[in-house]
Amino acid sequence: DGGITQSPKYLFRKEGQNVTLSCEQNLNHDAMYWYRQDPGQGLRLIYYSQIVNDFQKGDIAEGYSVSREKKESFPLTVTSAQKNPTAFYLCASSIFGQGNTEAFFGQGTRLTVV
Amino acid sequence: RKEVEQDPGPFNVPEGATVAFNCTYSNSASQSFFWYRQDCRKEPKLLMSVYSSGNEDGRFTAQLNRASQYISLLIRDSKLSDSATYLCVVPPSGGSYIPTFGRGTSLIVHP
Repeated sequence: DGGITQSPKYLFRKEGQNVTLSCEQNLNHDAMYWYRQDPGQGLRLIYYSQIVNDFQKGDIAEGYSVSREKKESFPLTVTSAQKNPTAFYLCASSIFGQGNTEAFFGQGTRLTVV
Repeated sequence: RKEVEQDPGPFNVPEGATVAFNCTYSNSASQSFFWYRQDCRKEPKLLMSVYSSGNEDGRFTAQLNRASQYISLLIRDSKLSDSATYLCVVPPSGGSYIPTFGRGTSLIVHP
């Protein structure tokens, strides 16, 4: 079955530590996105990629980094520079094209700083 | 004006009630819109697409009002299982196609 998979589901990070969240899709989508969601809040865009080897900053990119070496994969690294990383992280993918922004989501990674 | 605005609610309604949410948007050139449903601590899932002629799927009706730049979601005969957060998605201004989400409207259906 086609879909988008995030791992791990839960992640705990110590202060000053970098962690990487995995996102893989087999939907053959060109575009992939990372969003952050805080309790009671909407989704805020961290980074997005419309094609392999290219990505762009979203609204809240500071303290995060990404790579897009393969079409299927778009990992997100939460660096020690991100001062408040505890949140629910959602990866999504879509067909990239005019007027078509239906996005498919992974199950999310809940990151907690301990 | 924000790209997408929604009343966060919560909307607290009894089973069987009809409830409607609106979502206003700023990009007058937007062509396609979506409603997503998000359950507590889960990922958003597509509920309905909204095109110029509107869309109906069972108890759910989505409509577009271009003149006033808002989309609406109507739920008839509410069920307990409809309790969730409903997010609207519009394309943002500037010609990009990055899905931009409203903060969502919380619906609580009680017995």
